[in-house]
Amino acid sequence: DVKVTQSSRYLVKRTGEKVFLECVQDMDHENMFWYRQDPGLGLRLIYFSYDVKMKEKGDIPEGYSVSREKKERFSLILESASTNQTSMYLCASSPSGWTSGTYNEQFFGPGTRLTVL
Amino acid sequence: DQQVKQNSPSLSVQEGRISILNCDYTNSMFDYFLWYKKYPAEGPTFLISISSIKDKNEDGRFTVFLNKSAKHLSLHIVPSQPGDSAVYFCAASANNAGNMLTFGGGTRLMVKP
Repeated sequence: DVKVTQSSRYLVKRTGEKVFLECVQDMDHENMFWYRQDPGLGLRLIYFSYDVKMKEKGDIPEGYSVSREKKERFSLILESASTNQTSMYLCASSPSGWTSGTYNEQFFGPGTRLTVL
Repeated sequence: DQQVKQNSPSLSVQEGRISILNCDYTNSMFDYFLWYKKYPAEGPTFLISISSIKDKNEDGRFTVFLNKSAKHLSLHIVPSQPGDSAVYFCAASANNAGNMLTFGGGTRLMVKP
């Protein structure tokens, strides 16, 4: 079974703090993703990485950065947390996007609920 | 502007009846569609998918229908069970967009015993 783990289930931080969210997958997947989930907006892609040290911006990268130094680990960084970054953060991984015309599904971690006060 | 929309935020169904969850998209480049299910305090899990070359895909109690001309897909659950109560997300991908998925806003399904 694919396992995607996230370092914290719940996190409370203060405005202006630097926040690190860690994600680890154990299936040797090339791709890793960070999303945030907000009511009515679904999952919105923040960043994704298709290889070590490679990253691409998603739909809402502002205020975030990422790091992928090892294949199994993908970190999301909030340089200076703000209250509008209070959200559920979901990490996912997948093999390379398409195999024989079929999209390879993404596997999700349990999520980190971040509250910024 | 949301490219994938789920216009019903919630749906309530009696156990044993059919649940129909709908999803509309605007990007004609989308050619693969997935449904994910999410329970509280857990990450989304993949449920079923469909390629744009098909109009129907079935897996047990779950069937997804795709109407390309209307840019509409639907997920049918028959018969619905209380354990199906969850939030369902529709997602779409385009082969030329690499690995990215675009998600809808989700529909909360409640199946009453």
